[in-house]
Amino acid sequence: DIVMTQTPLSSPVTLGQPASISCRSSQSLVHSDGNTYLTWLHQRPGQPPRLLIYKISNRFSGVPDRFSGSGAGTDFTLKISRVEAEDVGIYYCMQTTQFPPTFGQGTRVEIK
Amino acid sequence: QVQLVQSGAEVKKPGASVKISCKASGYTFSSYYMHWVRQAPGQGLEWMGRINPSGGSTRYAQKFQGRVTMTRDTSTSTVYMELGSLRFEDTAVYYCARDHRFDYWGQGTLVTVSS
Repeated sequence: DIVMTQTPLSSPVTLGQPASISCRSSQSLVHSDGNTYLTWLHQRPGQPPRLLIYKISNRFSGVPDRFSGSGAGTDFTLKISRVEAEDVGIYYCMQTTQFPPTFGQGTRVEIK
Repeated sequence: QVQLVQSGAEVKKPGASVKISCKASGYTFSSYYMHWVRQAPGQGLEWMGRINPSGGSTRYAQKFQGRVTMTRDTSTSTVYMELGSLRFEDTAVYYCARDHRFDYWGQGTLVTVSS
């Protein structure tokens, strides 16, 4: 199985400041169809996860443009340009390039 | 709008089985795979398997092979996940999630395994 490793595991941030989360996969996530199926999810306390970004950098419907994804191959990054209070929670990267889908451990974002 | 509504919380004894439902609405049910993901208390996300609502084919994580069964009822746009031989460590919130993008999620179903 592909192992997804996120850093940091915890990120205290100041409101209005940027935040960045890294995700590294143990194998390349480039699929034979040419796509890279790297997804970012956000989970607020007591809620189900919600989709933020798919295929590295595509924001899902309704996701604010302060969220952006980048990367290639085995190294990926989620950036929040200016953190807002509603951004707290746990962020997960996941891959669906190879069976079975696997998740990173999660990164907790909290306000300083 | 797309909605996935799951059945309510369950309390089961070790060795028992639990069957959770996920009713879909707002889209063509047979057009999107449905996945099941679980989250133990305070822990991360774990993929369990998926079902193709169109033909009913399934793929399960190796960890759950032999213990999990995913089915669907196209007449009610509902998928089911049954987990047998429950153990204390199966206590978790179980989610259904649509499509390879995991774009919509159910609200979650808490399963508590307790003697």
